[in-house]
Amino acid sequence: AQKVTQAQTEISVVEKEDVTLDCVYETRDTTYYLFWYKQPPSGELVFLIRRNSFDEQNEISGRYSWNFQKSTSSFNFTITASQVVDSAVYFCALSEEGNFNKFYFGSGTKLNVKP
Amino acid sequence: GAVVSQHPSWVICKSGTSVKIECRSLDFQATTMFWYRQFPKQSLMLMATSNEGSKATYEQGVEKDKFLINHASLTLSTLTVTSAHPEDSSFYICSASGQGATDTQYFGPGTRLTVL
Repeated sequence: AQKVTQAQTEISVVEKEDVTLDCVYETRDTTYYLFWYKQPPSGELVFLIRRNSFDEQNEISGRYSWNFQKSTSSFNFTITASQVVDSAVYFCALSEEGNFNKFYFGSGTKLNVKP
Repeated sequence: GAVVSQHPSWVICKSGTSVKIECRSLDFQATTMFWYRQFPKQSLMLMATSNEGSKATYEQGVEKDKFLINHASLTLSTLTVTSAHPEDSSFYICSASGQGATDTQYFGPGTRLTVL
């Protein structure tokens, strides 16, 4: 079974719209990390956030915000007032206790922001 | 901080030749480096994990004789695709974690390999 599911394959929005990228994970561990990475067309993955399983506080960083809900095993990512430069593929990832080095990536969500 | 570079960024080679890809951590010591493969419009697939000075651990289904990994120093890991074939064409990405960048993997820009 998929440990990380990103059900949205591709999303298109118009600039300045808000958009939420969904991520649902599956793990039996009580200690784990969740990540979001951005992969622009250039290919390089850019680290956005890391959240450990004991910290359910939502986080905001500029136009980015993350909603971590253990009750629904979700770690959703919202971009407020989207911009064309936000166009990229976004990956959610999970690492588990016992081998935090091993990342399980979701299939990615391609975000297209149109002017 | 936490910059990882890869070289080359792209390479085209003939079938049967070997190709070496370098991955370097520029501003931290990478005790662990990872090699991923990404097919077009797909997610990253972990190929192997290497710790400095020891043999790499390969994921199930990855041929260790085909994809040779060396992690000789805390700042350099190499992936050699031996006797490359067209089906080896892919985007290869390395990442690193370690001192100054623990618990998080920082990714290189990737290397696009095309085997003719």
